[in-house]
Amino acid sequence: GQNIDQPTEMTATEGAIVQINCTYQTSGFNGLFWYQQHAGEAPTFLSYNVLDGLEEKGRFSSFLSRSKGYSYLLLKELQMKDSASYLCAVNGDYKLSFGAGTTVTVRA
Amino acid sequence: EAGVVQSPRYKIIEKKQPVAFWCNPISGHNTLYWYLQNLGQGPELLIRYENEEAVDDSQLPKDRFSAERLKGVDSTLKIQPAELGDSAVYLCASSSYINNSPLHFGNGTRLTVT
Repeated sequence: GQNIDQPTEMTATEGAIVQINCTYQTSGFNGLFWYQQHAGEAPTFLSYNVLDGLEEKGRFSSFLSRSKGYSYLLLKELQMKDSASYLCAVNGDYKLSFGAGTTVTVRA
Repeated sequence: EAGVVQSPRYKIIEKKQPVAFWCNPISGHNTLYWYLQNLGQGPELLIRYENEEAVDDSQLPKDRFSAERLKGVDSTLKIQPAELGDSAVYLCASSSYINNSPLHFGNGTRLTVT
């Protein structure tokens, strides 16, 4: 099975930066995804990492270290609309498992 | 492109009653997933289809849950009989292939069992 850990909640101020960490244990690692989920809505894809390093996509960046079983999602220039749950998902042995999600609250 | 379509959006039933959820994936996506999501938790896989074949149903409670994907397109998930603990959001997702293609989720069906 897979074990995925991420903080339950984080709060930050509009315009600031927030880093959401995800640690995982899995066999047959085959990629890590980050999804955003607003309350009452479907998860939407944000980023994908399969090799070590940083992937940048606009205000969002995602980092992966396979040897450490660690990833983070970096949200820059926070906006109120970024208030949502952020889900870390790991593909291990071609099975995608999700963490419980980190609820980010952006305050004015 | 049209997204993943699920219906109904909400369903309220009494325990011991049957219920069915329907999903239409994105056109051309051969992989279809049913996930269950409880409040404050991440989605949990129930079943994964590659075309018509259920390739991973290890987490599906087969005593009361069943699923089908006839013709490798639309899919139906059924619960019979429903229990109070089945109250959750049932999400359908599709992808073009499993390895590194992101999942596209539907808006889900929120089931309440009373």
